[in-house]
Amino acid sequence: DAKTTQPTSMDCAEGRAANLPCNHSTISGNEYVYWYRQIHSQGPQYIIHGLKNNETNEMASLIITEDRKSSTLILPHATLRDTAVYYCIVPPGNEKLTFGTGTRLTIIP
Amino acid sequence: KAGVTQTPRYLIKTRGQQVTLSCSPISGHRSVSWYQQTPGQGLQFLFEYFSETQRNKGNFPGRFSGRQFSNSRSEMNVSTLELGDSALYLCASSLSGSSYNSPLHFGNGTRLTVT
Repeated sequence: DAKTTQPTSMDCAEGRAANLPCNHSTISGNEYVYWYRQIHSQGPQYIIHGLKNNETNEMASLIITEDRKSSTLILPHATLRDTAVYYCIVPPGNEKLTFGTGTRLTIIP
Repeated sequence: KAGVTQTPRYLIKTRGQQVTLSCSPISGHRSVSWYQQTPGQGLQFLFEYFSETQRNKGNFPGRFSGRQFSNSRSEMNVSTLELGDSALYLCASSLSGSSYNSPLHFGNGTRLTVT
């Protein structure tokens, strides 16, 4: 199973872009990178996922390096409601997801 | 489209009792998986059901069990409750059951407190 490494915490000013990095150097060719976030006392929320190409949806953009060993989640205009723990995950092909400790993102007013 | 619904939202039980938690997946989703989240252990996989069959199971004792009904709704049961079972229990549903290209959609969980 591909292991992911994320910084423990990050701060970002409100209105600025939040860039959250993730390393997944052991990822295999057919494994996707997923991002979820969890706001206190709620269930994790799916944000975005990708395989090789960069992806964008209404919530965020996902930039995956060409060698696929790392990725960056971008929240283009962070708001206070984006304060949460962000998890980068490479699922092992079943539902036995390991969420790890993620990155605690704090948006500063 | 309604999200994943878990009931009840909060539950308080006494050691030795049993508890049943319920999960209604997003309409059309056939896979339902369950997770336990505690401050010390993070989010841990319990089991996954697809079309009424258990496909994967995590490393939890036999006191933890589950089932899925023909309408994809799922229940999990914990018997002989222990203090350490106090946790947030999360249910997630997905279309195909394979997380390769099928995101999980989580409910807001059931907060179980064992006294």
